Amino acid sequence: NAGVMQNPRHLVRRRGQEARLRCSPMKGHSHVYWYRQLPEEGLKFMVYLQKENIIDESGMPKERFSAEFPKEGPSILRIQQVVRGDSAAYFCASSPEPGTAKNTGELFFGEGSRLTVL
Amino acid sequence: GEDVEQSLFLSVREGDSSVINCTYTDSSSTYLYWYKQEPGAGLQLLTYIFSNMDMKQDQRLTVLLNKKDKHLSLRIADTQTGDSAIYFCAESIDMRFGAGTRLTVKP
Repeated sequence: NAGVMQNPRHLVRRRGQEARLRCSPMKGHSHVYWYRQLPEEGLKFMVYLQKENIIDESGMPKERFSAEFPKEGPSILRIQQVVRGDSAAYFCASSPEPGTAKNTGELFFGEGSRLTVL
Repeated sequence: GEDVEQSLFLSVREGDSSVINCTYTDSSSTYLYWYKQEPGAGLQLLTYIFSNMDMKQDQRLTVLLNKKDKHLSLRIADTQTGDSAIYFCAESIDMRFGAGTRLTVKP
């Protein structure tokens, strides 16, 4: 009964490189959320996706950040040309299809991917 | 996070009660949640309350909801050192989280 799996757990990049963070939702979950947590700060919503569709990306920075959730495979959060300010923990969460009997609105979180930009 | 507000820090002594408060702005949420984040880990759901309820009790946890004032609170009775964590409130309408309240329990 695997939970939400995120990898890598820790990623170190130099300024200007690309970071790719992966998230496999819980089995049977079709919706994925990405959040960013800066040191000593709260959880900031970034993007909400279902398979092959971005539902809400209002929290995503306009440049350098993108997210996808393909029909097959994990959801990917991609950060191009990273800067030191991108250093943070990135959390993925998943949920079943909203409105279904098994959905109470609870989000199931992964352990996070901690990005350090040197 | 801007629509859900919490105080950032709370410190209590072991055995005392802790009360963590949250205010929200969107009254159309069906559920309101409390999540707990332990150091180095992701968030886990602690408890939730339907928006048509005023109170929910679950062992040491009591959730109070004041819909008129859009105020949610979490009371932890007999707080233990293992309760030290960050507590987030969230509303179901858009799954935005508050900034989190860091609870420190002193022996």
